[in-house]
Order: sequence, then structure tokens, then C-alpha cells
Amino acid sequence: NAGVTQTPKFQVLKTGQSMTLQCAQDMNHNSMYWYRQDPGMGLRLIYYSASEGTTDKGEVPNGYNVSRLNKREFSLRLESAAPSQTSVYFCASTLHSATNEKLFFGSGTQLSVL
Amino acid sequence: EDQVTQSPEALRLQEGESSSLNCSYTVSGLRGLFWYRQDPGKGPEFLFTLYSAGEEKEKERLKATLTKKESFLHITAPKPEDSATYLCAVQVQGAQKLVFGQGTRLTINP
Repeated sequence: NAGVTQTPKFQVLKTGQSMTLQCAQDMNHNSMYWYRQDPGMGLRLIYYSASEGTTDKGEVPNGYNVSRLNKREFSLRLESAAPSQTSVYFCASTLHSATNEKLFFGSGTQLSVL
Repeated sequence: EDQVTQSPEALRLQEGESSSLNCSYTVSGLRGLFWYRQDPGKGPEFLFTLYSAGEEKEKERLKATLTKKESFLHITAPKPEDSATYLCAVQVQGAQKLVFGQGTRLTINP
């Protein structure tokens, strides 16, 4: 019973490098999300996908791109990493974003940009 | 602007010492208020959803309540395993996403 799986768990990048964070869910959920979590700032939404084939910006989308590859997978790409993107990234999913459904979270990716 | 504020930022209690965590919100229209628990190094885990003022939900030593401006998470006779960060989030009417507070880090000493 995997739920939401994120890879990698840890990553260190140099400024200017690119990378993709992977997320997959096995609960047949329609909606998926990418959040970042910084000390004292709570979880902030980067991008979300209400359903397969759609993506929308959240609060802090600058410097990121996303791809909803299929219903199961939602990836987050950093094209040119900056130290300000050092954070813990969480992927989440829910059955339908438009209803009051609870979110299921992955275990997170800790990213350091030097 | 929709805003969620949690207090205190951190709280230390002795085992068995009851207390409450606060989540105050300013939103254009509340669709639902959520409480999550987050253990170190893990993703948040769902606890409760509250939909309207006056509603209460309970789970073991936790009880969540909701008014028109705030929610409380009451913890009764806590145990060390209740130590975690507790997150509050709101879903706004017409929005498809949650707005999170910054969390309260709760430590229960044996």
C-alpha cells in the first residue's frame, strides 16, 4: 500500500544545475500538488494539477515547471537551481480538488542548492 | 488575502498536561478547515476536517472545534507519542487548493 511515492529523498545541487523531482500515486486520485516547506513559513503551493491534462500555478511558481505525465505521475522540474530553492518538497494527491477531500502526502525530498 | 495563523509556534507540556492549539483564519469564504499531524522527516498526515461553526471532531486524545474565526485542537492527557508538528489548513470557497498555517511544534515530556 504505497500511497504517494517521491524520489529522490535527498539531493544536493550546485547553483544553475537542473533536476526533476518525481511523484507517483497509486490511489487513482485525480488531483496532485507540489508544495515546498520552509522553516516558519508553512507549506506553500508551487503548482497543482486538478485533473490529468491540466496544471495551474500556486503561490510560488517562479523557477519551477511541472508535468502531469499521466493520472499517476506528476513531476516538478527546476531548470536552473538557485539557493533560494533550498527547501523540503512535498507531493500530495486527493481524489477531487473541488471537494473537501483530504490530501495524502509523500515523505518529501530534501533539496539543498549550494 | 486569505490567511491562516497558528499559535503558539512551539509548546512544551508534561505528560498528562492538557492544552489547546489555536488556528485563526481570515478567508473570503470557508469551505473546510483541516488539521494535519507531521512527524520529523515525514509528510503531513490527515487528522480532521471541519466544515461549519460549532462542529467538533474527536480522535483518541485530540478534539478539534471550529468557530467563524478560529479552530482549536484540544489535547487531553497527552502522551510523548503525541509529540509532532500540528498543521492547520483552510480550503476557500471556489478554490481548489489549501492555504496552510505555519504549524505548532508540540513536545510532550515524559
